[in-house]
Amino acid sequence: DQQVKQNSPSLSVQEGRISILNCDYTNSMFDYFLWYKKYPAEGPTFLISISSIKDKNEDGRFTVFLNKSAKHLSLHIVPSQPGDSAVYFCAAYLSGGSNYKLTFGKGTLLTVNP
Amino acid sequence: NAGVMQNPRHLVRRRGQEARLRCSPMKGHSHVYWYRQLPEEGLKFMVYLQKENIIDESGMPKERFSAEFPKEGPSILRIQQVVRGDSAAYFCASSPPLVGSITEAFFGQGTRLTVV
Repeated sequence: DQQVKQNSPSLSVQEGRISILNCDYTNSMFDYFLWYKKYPAEGPTFLISISSIKDKNEDGRFTVFLNKSAKHLSLHIVPSQPGDSAVYFCAAYLSGGSNYKLTFGKGTLLTVNP
Repeated sequence: NAGVMQNPRHLVRRRGQEARLRCSPMKGHSHVYWYRQLPEEGLKFMVYLQKENIIDESGMPKERFSAEFPKEGPSILRIQQVVRGDSAAYFCASSPPLVGSITEAFFGQGTRLTVV
């Protein structure tokens, strides 16, 4: 049972344009969501997060939007740069003290073309 | 300041052998988390340890898998009698004392285990 879904295995975007990565979840008890970036042969790197009490969080070129009623979140990267090419994982965890037990999606490979 | 170090980076084992994966947390970090990524899957939580204590092993398979984080030395994830289905990338992450949160954790580069 996949509780966090990233339905697009890959996405290709032109440099300078917007990249939008999507993530859906099924467990309404999730109350914290994170995005990680992973380069080949490296571990995941934390990128940005959002609490379920918010609907938007922004950090530089990265913005995460949360739509709780649709159980959907998205990561926007503007403007996209070739160095953003990586696999992006959406992840979530439940409240109640288990803020180390992440549930990850399968990831979306983003390619930003120069 | 070295990051989270995992070794070996690649490990090949024959079915039935034992696999030992090591994770040296960042300096000053006392919390370690192990995650596994099976092919075509997202990372899945396995175990959370603090020095000399297993805090949560709810994600560990009940047989053949064990983990430890001794007072001195790296954390070890041990898989006995490996099977082909154990082939995966194993990642560990560490976070500082008093911060048992994955959001403050840094991941290592992972160990890719291949069982032949």
